[in-house]
Amino acid sequence: GAGVSQSPSNKVTEKGKDVELRCDPISGHTALYWYRQSLGQGLEFLIYFQGNSAPDKSGLPSDRFSAERTGGSVSTLTIQRTQQEDSAVYLCASSLVRGYNTDTQYFGPGTRLTVL
Amino acid sequence: GIQVEQSPPDLILQEGANSTLRCNFSDSVNNLQWFHQNPWGQLINLFYIPSGTKQNGRLSATTVATERYSLLYISSSQTTDSGVYFCAPRSNRDDKIIFGKGTRLHILP
Repeated sequence: GAGVSQSPSNKVTEKGKDVELRCDPISGHTALYWYRQSLGQGLEFLIYFQGNSAPDKSGLPSDRFSAERTGGSVSTLTIQRTQQEDSAVYLCASSLVRGYNTDTQYFGPGTRLTVL
Repeated sequence: GIQVEQSPPDLILQEGANSTLRCNFSDSVNNLQWFHQNPWGQLINLFYIPSGTKQNGRLSATTVATERYSLLYISSSQTTDSGVYFCAPRSNRDDKIIFGKGTRLHILP
């Protein structure tokens, strides 16, 4: 595809349920990032994948959050036992490779998660 | 980790006005991006500018890495420029990209 895609665009769930959010990066991009944006706030870093290296998980807020990137392409962010404070827009971005002028991030449209 | 401060937090201008948005950061960086988030939430990369000056139409950006700041200039503002502008440097120390809290710009017709 031409850009980063995310699904679903909206997700409403009940407290305590598990959710999976999907990100399809731009083809050929080796770096993939997940961020969270609460209403009216900036972006909070969650996790970063770069090629086959071990992911940087330092931004995950709790062990209820996990992410995978299969085959160096599609990524899934999983939130277990969702809480109301997990409600936010979850944004995915990809970039070509690490390096000067190839590190530009391209963002998907986001998934708006609402936990009731 | 790196601290990022953007100013002003909010800006309301009449169409046609010029503006300067500032981003200060606390650590040395190897990358700095400026983004525009439109009212529908989509983030668009405006500039990749770890140092120096770039121009793209009515927008230009300057980063002075040695003094740890970057500026985004918007000239002849249009209503479509409304939204939130984020600066996002990547720290040399821990290699993380951290977003500032943004400047919310509202252009009045």
